[in-house]
Amino acid sequence: EDQVTQSPEALRLQEGESSSLNCSYTVSGLRGLFWYRQDPGKGPEFLFTLYSAGEEKEKERLKATLTKKESFLHITAPKPEDSATYLCAVQATTNAGKSTFGDGTTLTVKP
Amino acid sequence: DAGVTQSPTHLIKTRGQHVTLRCSPISGHKSVSWYQQVLGQGPQFIFQYYEKEERGRGNFPDRFSARQFPNYSSELNVNALLLGDSALYLCASSRSGDSYNEQFFGPGTRLTVL
Repeated sequence: EDQVTQSPEALRLQEGESSSLNCSYTVSGLRGLFWYRQDPGKGPEFLFTLYSAGEEKEKERLKATLTKKESFLHITAPKPEDSATYLCAVQATTNAGKSTFGDGTTLTVKP
Repeated sequence: DAGVTQSPTHLIKTRGQHVTLRCSPISGHKSVSWYQQVLGQGPQFIFQYYEKEERGRGNFPDRFSARQFPNYSSELNVNALLLGDSALYLCASSRSGDSYNEQFFGPGTRLTVL
């Protein structure tokens, strides 16, 4: 069974203090790994898709990387508006259309 | 272009009742997936539909059912509601049934079962 574990569960940073969020996964053939941002009471907002080990994607202060066992979401010089829950999900080659999600990391950035 | 829309936004039901949730995908998207998200947890996969056919089903009881219409909109039905069905129900659309396509989520329907 596909599994996704995210750590830490919660992360508090000062504005400008860079850090990384971890997503460890086990899947029977990775088709894609996805990162989403979710604000309270809203649906997840798509951020990145990574398909193969070594791939990297960047968007503003966020950078996602992928290895064969885990993905990292690096946040550089975060701002208070980056505060949200960040979700990681995987799709397996054997189960098209189904995303298996982790429970997320809740990031709080203090000014 | 409008994003994924869901209705209603909030719903309160009592145990044993039935509920229907609705979703309209992004224009041009032919696949709709449904997820249940309990507070503090990640979304759990319920169903995927593509071209009106069920393409995948998660570990949910038969009380949960869904369908997709010719215009690619979708309904999720839940019968005999239990307290544990209280959650945020999310609909996601993608361009095709192939998982290479990103899924874009709607705002969700908050269901409360009393």
